[in-house]
Amino acid sequence: AAGVIQSPRHLIKEKRETATLKCYPIPRHDTVYWYQQGPGQDPQFLISFYEKMQSDKGSIPDRFSAQQFSDYHSELNMSSLELGDSALYFCASSSPPVGHDPGNTIYFGEGSWLTVV
Amino acid sequence: AQKITQTQPGMFVQEKEAVTLDCTYDTSDPSYGLFWYKQPSSGEMIFLIYQGSYDQQNATEGRYSLNFQKARKSANLVISASQLGDSAMYFCAMREENSYNDMRFGAGTRLTVKP
Repeated sequence: AAGVIQSPRHLIKEKRETATLKCYPIPRHDTVYWYQQGPGQDPQFLISFYEKMQSDKGSIPDRFSAQQFSDYHSELNMSSLELGDSALYFCASSSPPVGHDPGNTIYFGEGSWLTVV
Repeated sequence: AQKITQTQPGMFVQEKEAVTLDCTYDTSDPSYGLFWYKQPSSGEMIFLIYQGSYDQQNATEGRYSLNFQKARKSANLVISASQLGDSAMYFCAMREENSYNDMRFGAGTRLTVKP
């Protein structure tokens, strides 16, 4: 079965550079989430999109922005990179919720490893 | 405030034995979902099992089962017949109806299966 596809899998950038991560959700999934997982940390929610509109915002820095396109893929843009941005970035997707059933499972991609040097 | 608490930073289990990973949560939302994910050293986050707040029965998925005690606000993961490949980080997570898109994770438990 198709899973969430993230690219690139590994990325090395210098401080103050810009990076873009791409995410292709599972087909027919209309909600995309971005999470950041620092070394030894649990994943932290950054931002989510539902039907191409931003639906929720977590601890995303102002230097970061994201969007979801008409084909439902999403991109996370990170500018003025700092050493502390080095982390594993997950994209995840879920199918349309049924009412307010929170049981809608979020499926994660394999993550993109960003190293800022 | 921490909404998901995993009190065991690390656990060891002998191969073929069962192990319980603890998870307690805090919410005032009557509708919520609880999830367990496995993260091997390669980094991917693998969905294991889900329990809804209104589910009457404990969830089971193969060797994984969830010991859901709603009054105690606990959702412990039980792995039966441990295998070497079960060695990984395990995260408990929760989604509340009122903050649907923000799934919160616990700090994780690192499980090591010994041969």
